[in-house]
Amino acid sequence: SQTIHQWPATLVQPVGSPLSLECTVEGTSNPNLYWYRQAAGRGLQLLFYSVGIGQISSEVPQNLSASRPQDRQFILSSKKLLLSDSGFYLCAWSTGLSNQPQHFGDGTRLSIL
Amino acid sequence: RKEVEQDPGPFNVPEGATVAFNCTYSNSASQSFFWYRQDCRKEPKLLMSVYSSGNEDGRFTAQLNRASQYISLLIRDSKLSDSATYLCVKGAGGFKTIFGAGTRLFVKA
Repeated sequence: SQTIHQWPATLVQPVGSPLSLECTVEGTSNPNLYWYRQAAGRGLQLLFYSVGIGQISSEVPQNLSASRPQDRQFILSSKKLLLSDSGFYLCAWSTGLSNQPQHFGDGTRLSIL
Repeated sequence: RKEVEQDPGPFNVPEGATVAFNCTYSNSASQSFFWYRQDCRKEPKLLMSVYSSGNEDGRFTAQLNRASQYISLLIRDSKLSDSATYLCVKGAGGFKTIFGAGTRLFVKA
């Protein structure tokens, strides 16, 4: 069966520091991969999605970036974090077929001080 | 107008009650719809897919009304463990989906 791993679970970072969150999927090939952010009490905001290695689509302008160095690895990065980057970051995967549901990792709770 | 809109609630119901949530959407070209459940400070989990005229899974029934552009989720015989936020989701074409902000449900003894 497919599993998705996301780490770390919790992260506290100072303003201006870099960020790297990692997500890996097991048990499937060529998944679509997604990064979402959820602010406290709010809905999910799609940040990036990827349909293949090296293919990244950005949904909103921001100081974050994403990379997909391997088929089942998705990384979210920032060179300098802002206070507004605080939130609950969720990685998700879906099959390569269209109109399929997404399945989420456990999430990373990021607090910027 | 948001592409997916939900009543934020909260819905407060006693155990054993039947509760229904509605979700309206725009862009009638959407082909796929889902309901997710999200517990406090946890990731969303797929509850049901709604592909055609609706489907049932135990105490949960999802309906799709394309003419009026809404989907609904009915929960019968509510349990304490049903307390959560329920997210309405529609396919946005291809591989993307759009999530509603969610409806909060509290089931009380």
